[in-house]
Amino acid sequence: AQKITQTQPGMFVQEKEAVTLDCTYDTSDPSYGLFWYKQPSSGEMIFLIYQGSYDQQNATEGRYSLNFQKARKSANLVISASQLGDSAMYFCAMREPYSGGGADGLTFGKGTHLIIQP
Amino acid sequence: DVKVTQSSRYLVKRTGEKVFLECVQDMDHENMFWYRQDPGLGLRLIYFSYDVKMKEKGDIPEGYSVSREKKERFSLILESASTNQTSMYLCASSLSAGGVHEQYFGPGTRLTVT
Repeated sequence: AQKITQTQPGMFVQEKEAVTLDCTYDTSDPSYGLFWYKQPSSGEMIFLIYQGSYDQQNATEGRYSLNFQKARKSANLVISASQLGDSAMYFCAMREPYSGGGADGLTFGKGTHLIIQP
Repeated sequence: DVKVTQSSRYLVKRTGEKVFLECVQDMDHENMFWYRQDPGLGLRLIYFSYDVKMKEKGDIPEGYSVSREKKERFSLILESASTNQTSMYLCASSLSAGGVHEQYFGPGTRLTVT
């Protein structure tokens, strides 16, 4: 079963509108972290925002906010006042504690291709 | 600013060749990671390392090995490249576990195996 599900392969949005990118996750561990990354056509992954499972408030970073609904296991990214430069692939990812100790990698969703239209 | 660099942006190799992909980070991060990215599959973790000479398998380690002789450098090795290893390879680094630390990614290496 997929651990991270992004149900929107692609989205077209008018400039200046708000955008919500969906992400649901699956874990049985009470301690985890959720990340959103942006990947423009240049290919580099850019960290946007983080939400911890124990955080009481939804994370915000500038125009980005995370709508965290723990009971529903959902962590949607909201971009307010979209801009042409927001056109990119967006990936939701989860970090779970690694039982072996040390570092652990992220589990990524398949991504959503967002296109902002003028 | 954290900088993660990868030795090549584009690489073309023949089936059966030994391939080295190099990654260097300049922020003294303990953790380093190798992912591959394929259309429709997102990023998948190949290997990671949490210290010099330490490595752990990720989700898809088959056909790959890694080396970390120095803290700043993490190499991905394809012992005998095959066409199904044609992909985009992304390296990342982060501070040590025990807190929340985002991963910083390099620009990627697009590898084609013919």
